[in-house]
Amino acid sequence: AQSVTQPDIHITVSEGASLELRCNYSYGATPYLFWYVQSPGQGLQLLLKYFSGDTLVQGIKGFEAEFKRSQSSFNLRKPSVHWSDAAEYFCAVGGGTSYGKLTFGQGTILTVHP
Amino acid sequence: NAGVTQTPKFRILKIGQSMTLQCAQDMNHNYMYWYRQDPGMGLKLIYYSVGAGITDKGEVPNGYNVSRSTTEDFPLRLELAAPSQTSVYFCASSPRVDRLEQYFGPGTRLTVT
Repeated sequence: AQSVTQPDIHITVSEGASLELRCNYSYGATPYLFWYVQSPGQGLQLLLKYFSGDTLVQGIKGFEAEFKRSQSSFNLRKPSVHWSDAAEYFCAVGGGTSYGKLTFGQGTILTVHP
Repeated sequence: NAGVTQTPKFRILKIGQSMTLQCAQDMNHNYMYWYRQDPGMGLKLIYYSVGAGITDKGEVPNGYNVSRSTTEDFPLRLELAAPSQTSVYFCASSPRVDRLEQYFGPGTRLTVT
């Protein structure tokens, strides 16, 4: 069965600092990996995705993520955080013949201090 | 192009009542999904549909039913509401199952008391 673990429930950073959110997955085949962001009271918005090819993927809002097959990880990074990045971030995995079904991690809440 | 819309935004139900959460998309997507989101638990798949007339259970289907009579609409029915169904419900759609990109609605916050 596929699963996703986000080890950090809550992360606090100062504005302008760098950010890394961790994501570890378990999947029996080549995974499709996603990061979504959810602002308070809103639905989920896709930040970036990995299907194949270059293991460093770029997304919206200056985010990037790196797929490391040997570590079963897909960590999200941003070099300089803005106050507007405060939100909850979800990592998700899917693929193969799963009819588009995704398995989500528990989420990481990001707080940004001025 | 409204994307994925959900109604209502908020609802309070009494135990044992029934209701239907509405979901519609105007992007002509074949694949649609219902999730529930509970604090610290991420999103859990309730039901999904691969096209009009075809639905299947997800990870947590008990207490829910769905139907898909048109490509656009994918309502979620709660029969005999229970406090355990207090949650935020999200509907999503996807154009291609092989790309897995899902577009989410704004959610419905449901409280059962």
